[in-house]
Amino acid sequence: DIQLTQSPSFLSASVGDRVTITCRASQGISSYLAWYQQKPGKAPKLLIYAASTLQSGVPSRFSGSGSGTEFTLTISSLQPEDFATYYCQQLNSSPFTFGPGTKVDIK
Amino acid sequence: QVQLQESGPGLVKPSQTLSLTCTVSGGSISSGGYYWSWIRQHPGKGLEWIGYIYYSGSTYYNPSLKSRVTISVDTSKNQFSLKLSSVTAADTAVYYCARVGGGIDYWGQGTLVTVSS
Repeated sequence: DIQLTQSPSFLSASVGDRVTITCRASQGISSYLAWYQQKPGKAPKLLIYAASTLQSGVPSRFSGSGSGTEFTLTISSLQPEDFATYYCQQLNSSPFTFGPGTKVDIK
Repeated sequence: QVQLQESGPGLVKPSQTLSLTCTVSGGSISSGGYYWSWIRQHPGKGLEWIGYIYYSGSTYYNPSLKSRVTISVDTSKNQFSLKLSSVTAADTAVYYCARVGGGIDYWGQGTLVTVSS
């Protein structure tokens, strides 16, 4: 199985901050990576797929980059509704594993 | 707008079989191009991939659960189902059904299944 790690696991930030989350894969996955946002009690929401393609309806302050084994999710200006947990997922090979998550909290 | 809805018992006894169904509306499972999937999340924890089925019936199961999992599809009802046998308390989780393309673009709301006597 391909293992994903995320850093940091916890992030405290203020509204307006630029936030970057990193996801690393245990082996190359080309650009088969997605990012999700999850709020308590809700299903995850797809933000980015194919490493850098913004899902329809997702604000442009979210962006993704990377390929191979290292990927980043950037929120250019953190908004109050962005405080949540973020997961990466690889879709290069089954099982389509998830990263452990990064919780973004209010400073 | 595609919608997915899980249904099934919220309480299952240890050693029994957990059975859930996902009803898809607003789109056809038979149209192809997507993997219809089950994912679970233990309370307060991360996401675990259980497996998927294609409209043709081909399946993939997470090796960690493979011996206990069966996913099936009923295209006539536009539904797919999960069976997880010999459950224990460790199977207590929120179970999601989902549609996978380039990413998981549609999720069910999730259903909590508790394993307890």
